[in-house]
Amino acid sequence: DQQVKQNSPSLSVQEGRISILNCDYTNSMFDYFLWYKKYPAEGPTFLISISSIKDKNEDGRFTVFLNKSAKHLSLHIVPSQPGDSAVYFCAASDPTNAGKSTFGDGTTLTVKP
Amino acid sequence: KAGVTQTPRYLIKTRGQQVTLSCSPISGHRSVSWYQQTPGQGLQFLFEYFSETQRNKGNFPGRFSGRQFSNSRSEMNVSTLELGDSALYLCASSGFAGGSKTQYFGPGTRLLVL
Repeated sequence: DQQVKQNSPSLSVQEGRISILNCDYTNSMFDYFLWYKKYPAEGPTFLISISSIKDKNEDGRFTVFLNKSAKHLSLHIVPSQPGDSAVYFCAASDPTNAGKSTFGDGTTLTVKP
Repeated sequence: KAGVTQTPRYLIKTRGQQVTLSCSPISGHRSVSWYQQTPGQGLQFLFEYFSETQRNKGNFPGRFSGRQFSNSRSEMNVSTLELGDSALYLCASSGFAGGSKTQYFGPGTRLLVL
């Protein structure tokens, strides 16, 4: 059972527009949700996170929204830049599973100039 | 603030040998997790240490072990290396900032087993 799902394998947007990356989860025990950016053959780069007790967190061009009732979160990137092109992973941590982040399969974002 | 550092960055070993990888977390972070990254399997959780104690372990054989020191630096050891152990090994340092959790990955150690 995949507890964290990113149903869109890819997303293409125009430079300057908004990118919206989605993530769904099933485990109601998750207490933090994290977003990462990743390039091939490299480790993930932490972008932003949100606590399960909040519904929004913002950091510069990145905003994460959490809808606990729908078990859904999204990452908004505004404005999108060509350098944002990468694979984006959402991950979740469970306090009963110390130190382990459960990752989604990733969404490949392409930002076209 | 310095990021997560891992040494060595690259390593070539032969089957049957053992290897020790090192990770220095971000200053102030006490939690260090280790992951194995392969093209086919993605990120696989190995184990997590907090204040010198292993709190969690993934589904890897006993050949994979680790430890954490009092300064939060962590080492991972793989004994009796197999070809399938070739991978990028990542450590992640976790803490809290701005009311939320942060988890930063190091650049990884790329291990090739011949």
